[in-house]
Amino acid sequence: GEDVEQSLFLSVREGDSSVINCTYTDSSSTYLYWYKQEPGAGLQLLTYIFSNMDMKQDQRLTVLLNKKDKHLSLRIADTQTGDSAIYFCAESRAGTYKYIFGTGTRLKVLA
Amino acid sequence: DTAVSQTPKYLVTQMGNDKSIKCEQNLGHDTMYWYKQDSKKFLKIMFSYNNKELIINETVPNRFSPKSPDKAHLNLHINSLELGDSAVYFCASSQVELEQFFGPGTRLTVL
Repeated sequence: GEDVEQSLFLSVREGDSSVINCTYTDSSSTYLYWYKQEPGAGLQLLTYIFSNMDMKQDQRLTVLLNKKDKHLSLRIADTQTGDSAIYFCAESRAGTYKYIFGTGTRLKVLA
Repeated sequence: DTAVSQTPKYLVTQMGNDKSIKCEQNLGHDTMYWYKQDSKKFLKIMFSYNNKELIINETVPNRFSPKSPDKAHLNLHINSLELGDSAVYFCASSQVELEQFFGPGTRLTVL
């Protein structure tokens, strides 16, 4: 079955790095995503990675994919208070348009 | 300019009523989606339409009926509302699979 798990909470100090982890079960996943949801708003795509990649860097964001362990992580460097939000990982298989979202990790950044 | 808009933003209604939520996107996307986010922030896909045709229909009670009058609109009609239908409903659209744009959400409260 398809299942995407994340830890529910993460708290970091401003300026530190945050690492949000995600595990998934579908070995046929083609695309893996990270979305951010701020309070009272919809989800916003932060970044994505193809399943044949190990790493992707985009400014303060680094995505690491361990396909063997089906583990995805998002590292946010120099975390700011504006990064406080819920972060969702998601996966999909090419051509299906069906996205499976993780349980979400609530990131709290302490000043 | 709003990319994906939903109306209403808040909807409070009694059990047993019938209600509709509207979604419009001005991005020219071919694919639109409805998601349900429960009180624990779990996000689950309900329906997906591609060029006005239903392509994903998850195990959703048949009290929920999506309607796509044209590519830019995907409405959700709910009959005989139940307490468990209380949630935030998000509409989204995408042109390519790699990026979905989410609306701001409709918070439905069934009393």
